[in-house]
Amino acid sequence: DVKVTQSSRYLVKRTGEKVFLECVQDMDHENMFWYRQDPGLGLRLIYFSYDVKMKEKGDIPEGYSVSREKKERFSLILESASTNQTSMYLCASGGADESNSPLHFGNGTRLTVT
Amino acid sequence: AQSVAQPEDQVNVAEGNPLTVKCTYSVSGNPYLFWYVQYPNRGLQFLLKYITGDNLVKGSYGFEAEFNKSQTSFHLKKPSALVSDSALYFCAVRPYGSGNTGKLIFGQGTTLQVKP
Repeated sequence: DVKVTQSSRYLVKRTGEKVFLECVQDMDHENMFWYRQDPGLGLRLIYFSYDVKMKEKGDIPEGYSVSREKKERFSLILESASTNQTSMYLCASGGADESNSPLHFGNGTRLTVT
Repeated sequence: AQSVAQPEDQVNVAEGNPLTVKCTYSVSGNPYLFWYVQYPNRGLQFLLKYITGDNLVKGSYGFEAEFNKSQTSFHLKKPSALVSDSALYFCAVRPYGSGNTGKLIFGQGTTLQVKP
């Protein structure tokens, strides 16, 4: 079974802090994603990566950056956390193939910025 | 712009009755469509997908979905709902031109409430 593990289930941070959200997958997937989930807005793509050290902006990249130094690990960084970044963050991974295999999601990190 | 819409925030159904969760899409080219389910405090789990072929797609937990090209819809269905089906359901589409990146665009989600 594919496992996508997010390091924290709940995080509480203060405004202005630098925040790291970590995600690890064990299926040797090329593609990894960070989504943000807010009620009524569904999931919105922040950043994704299709290879080590490669990244592309999603729909809402402002205020975020990412790092992918190893294939299995994809980190989301909030350089200076703000209250409007309070949300559920979901990491996902998927293979790069033509069969459109589904994405596999972690259980999420609920971040509260006070 | 390519998009997915789930017109209902919540669907209520009695246990044993059929259920439908609606999804419409707007994409360029042939759509690749997916349904995911999210139980409380969990990530999303894949239910089923339509890539090509038969318009009726069967998936996990007895769910199925019907692809209708003329109505640009991909509604999720189940003949007999269970209380344990109560969860948040997301429809998603792979945008045209995303290549092998696996990128998905998600709808806003529909909460399914099945009453005993």
